Amino acid sequence: DAGVIQSPRHEVTEMGQEVTLRCKPISGHDYLFWYRQTMMRGLELLIYFNNNVPIDDSGMPEDRFSAKMPNASFSTLKIQPSEPRDSAVYFCASSILAGDLMDTGELFFGEGSRLTVL
Amino acid sequence: LAKTTQPISMDSYEGQEVNITCSHNNIATNDYITWYQQFPSQGPRFIIQGYKTKVTNEVASLFIPADRKSSTLSLPRVSLSDTAVYYCLVNGGATNKLIFGTGTLLAVQP
Repeated sequence: DAGVIQSPRHEVTEMGQEVTLRCKPISGHDYLFWYRQTMMRGLELLIYFNNNVPIDDSGMPEDRFSAKMPNASFSTLKIQPSEPRDSAVYFCASSILAGDLMDTGELFFGEGSRLTVL
Repeated sequence: LAKTTQPISMDSYEGQEVNITCSHNNIATNDYITWYQQFPSQGPRFIIQGYKTKVTNEVASLFIPADRKSSTLSLPRVSLSDTAVYYCLVNGGATNKLIFGTGTLLAVQP
């Protein structure tokens, strides 16, 4: 399996522009997560989906951020309009729930999308 | 979700055993303890997971005392390539939601 695939790997944009980050989870995984990582705040969970349905978006910083999962093999994270403080590495991860409710599935992370907003 | 506390950084030398301890005083009955490793410019990678006592795999061992309020990740004979940030997480239930703390930056020197 190719693993979790994210694009673009790097993006530099100007303040006010729309940014769209893309993620292809591992086939068969029913959970998808978007994280943001900065030096100041570490790894923050933004939103996660189960079977393409958003379950918890409490980590989305504000309504400039939106995420969709139109099907099991694709998700987007959109920032509109972008601001310099959105500069970060954005990770997508996927997992499959283990059979036992007491257990938790391993998260597989993509290589991340490094966003720089000037 | 249970809060975890771990040292911000640790130093070691090649060939030594490294033990990173994490405290999670309010761990819930359903919570598992999971450790991830992150190299620079990469996403975190699963290392090991356990519920109680001891778990060992080809990479590390995880020691969990009976009260489960702490856990220790043990890395045998570290090498330079083990330099990374190590995250301790506790999570459980059917949600798979994982909240990462600040992690421990392990620096391995020659």
